[in-house]
Amino acid sequence: ETGVTQTPRHLVMGMTNKKSLKCEQHLGHNAMYWYKQSAKKPLELMFVYSLEERVENNSVPSRFSPECPNSSHLFLHLHTLQPEDSALYLCASSQVTGGNTEAFFGQGTRLTVV
Amino acid sequence: LAKTTQPISMDSYEGQEVNITCSHNNIATNDYITWYQQFPSQGPRFIIQGYKTKVTNEVASLFIPADRKSSTLSLPRVSLSDTAVYYCLVGDGRYSTLTFGKGTMLLVSP
Repeated sequence: ETGVTQTPRHLVMGMTNKKSLKCEQHLGHNAMYWYKQSAKKPLELMFVYSLEERVENNSVPSRFSPECPNSSHLFLHLHTLQPEDSALYLCASSQVTGGNTEAFFGQGTRLTVV
Repeated sequence: LAKTTQPISMDSYEGQEVNITCSHNNIATNDYITWYQQFPSQGPRFIIQGYKTKVTNEVASLFIPADRKSSTLSLPRVSLSDTAVYYCLVGDGRYSTLTFGKGTMLLVSP
């Protein structure tokens, strides 16, 4: 248990569906992240939120839409995805202070787009 | 952003000590060095972090030479369950420095 909880753990969706991934952290951290990890590839940083404001968006397609309603919750809204979007989606949180690069990750959502 | 270079893979046997070296030639003064471990289909897990010299915890040791252009993660007496991907990150704690490279795939055999 890392203090970061992701739901659902597994998701299968069609290309025309709309779904959302949820992440919740109970650590009092001030930053939250979405990562994508495709099979046998490195983690790709998608979005970063600090104090509920998006501070980074690494050229992610608009079919991925993040939302951070408060410092403890982060969502990733999905619509009209493609099969190549099938991957493990990981949420993380950290306390951004000088020199601290320790992040806590959730267990991830395994997404399959059919 | 300091770039890191690690071996793609390493092999070891149970009970051996494993040392994984990471190069980070353009590390900045404010940067720390952090190592993560990732098992298949799980999120990465923080192992250890250091700035200079040597840091040790219950899981691993981290050796950082004086010039800080490289670092070595040392895993004592590995077991089969240490088979995982190990990532070296360098950064000053800002959001964008939580960027992962390809990591080192460590395979521990009986």
